[in-house]
Amino acid sequence: DAKTTQPPSMDCAEGRAANLPCNHSTISGNEYVYWYRQIHSQGPQYIIHGLKNNETNEMASLIITEDRKSSTLILPHATLRDTAVYYCIVRSNTGTASKLTFGTGTRLQVTL
Amino acid sequence: EPEVTQTPSHQVTQMGQEVILRCVPISNHLYFYWYRQILGQKVEFLVSFYNNEISEKSEIFDDQFSVERPDGSNFTLKIRSTKLEDSAMYFCAMHRGGEQFFGPGTRLTVL
Repeated sequence: DAKTTQPPSMDCAEGRAANLPCNHSTISGNEYVYWYRQIHSQGPQYIIHGLKNNETNEMASLIITEDRKSSTLILPHATLRDTAVYYCIVRSNTGTASKLTFGTGTRLQVTL
Repeated sequence: EPEVTQTPSHQVTQMGQEVILRCVPISNHLYFYWYRQILGQKVEFLVSFYNNEISEKSEIFDDQFSVERPDGSNFTLKIRSTKLEDSAMYFCAMHRGGEQFFGPGTRLTVL
């Protein structure tokens, strides 16, 4: 699986959009970009994933650049409950369920 | 609605003792995973389990570890002889629709 690079930490004011970047310059054609988050010591929580098109769900939007070498997770209106470590993970999605390889992620602090 | 529950939430044991951590899926799943997270460190993959067989394991998952589905529903992780460095959060996960759903974890403390 391709390696990802994320900033170690970010701050965001409550109510504002949080934009979390991820670089994955060695991503290959069959690899997807996944985002998970971990609030305190809870189990990681799935947020969103995509291959090359932008994706949106009830939690977030995922913007993937045209060359697929980077992506941005957008939380449109961050709340205090969004304070967590956010992980960008690249892995193939061949139909067989492969493991997730977590990095150190971005620690997002949402403030009043 | 949680997909996965884990018991116990916290387990304290003496070094050298055996522990069994349990994972209970809410609905029927075929793919199971165990991950662990030592305090302050990354989430690490241990093992994946499909159709009652190990499909992949990491170098962490040595002979001291084993997994099984003893009754076709619960999914267990056994550590035969715990070491101090086994102290960690242990997360079970299930696979559904391209996503992995994680349980709340078991905090294992080895004294």
